[in-house]
Amino acid sequence: AQSVTQLGSHVSVSEGALVLLRCNYSSSVPPYLFWYVQYPNQGLQLLLKYTSAATLVKGINGFEAEFKKSETSFHLTKPSAHMSDAAEYFCALMRSGAGSYQLTFGKGTKLSVIP
Amino acid sequence: DGGITQSPKYLFRKEGQNVTLSCEQNLNHDAMYWYRQDPGQGLRLIYYSQIVNDFQKGDIAEGYSVSREKKESFPLTVTSAQKNPTAFYLCASMPGQNRNEKLFFGSGTQLSVL
Repeated sequence: AQSVTQLGSHVSVSEGALVLLRCNYSSSVPPYLFWYVQYPNQGLQLLLKYTSAATLVKGINGFEAEFKKSETSFHLTKPSAHMSDAAEYFCALMRSGAGSYQLTFGKGTKLSVIP
Repeated sequence: DGGITQSPKYLFRKEGQNVTLSCEQNLNHDAMYWYRQDPGQGLRLIYYSQIVNDFQKGDIAEGYSVSREKKESFPLTVTSAQKNPTAFYLCASMPGQNRNEKLFFGSGTQLSVL
């Protein structure tokens, strides 16, 4: 089965500190992986995606993620946290079957930024 | 502006009542999806549709129904059979042709039980 697991439902960092949000995947085929961000009472916005090109993927708002096949991981990082980064972050994997595609999400990690 | 419109933003359901959540997109996307979001549970797929007049059950379809009579519209009905309907519901769409495409999301409907 194809799935993603996010480690840590809540992460707190100080403003200016490194942000590290962890995601591991399980897939029998080369995975297509995504990170989305959700602000309170809103929909989701795409931060970045991995589609089997470069293993280090850069996204919006200074975020990046590195695909590591040997560790089945796709962790999200940002060198310096801003107050505006406080939100919930979701790792996701694109499943396919019978000619259709569906995105499977992890349970999310809520990021708090302490001033 | 192109996008996905969900309405209403807040909805209340009485016991035994069916309610319908609206989702309209003007992005000319083929694929549309409904997700349910509960705190600490992430997003779980309810139903999805790749083309007009066709749709498939997702991971938690029991107690829900959908229709796809028009390309731009994918309404979700929460039936009385859904015993725990309180959640945040998100509609999404995708062009539908490639696995590396992103989903576009609406701003959601919060459904609560009276």
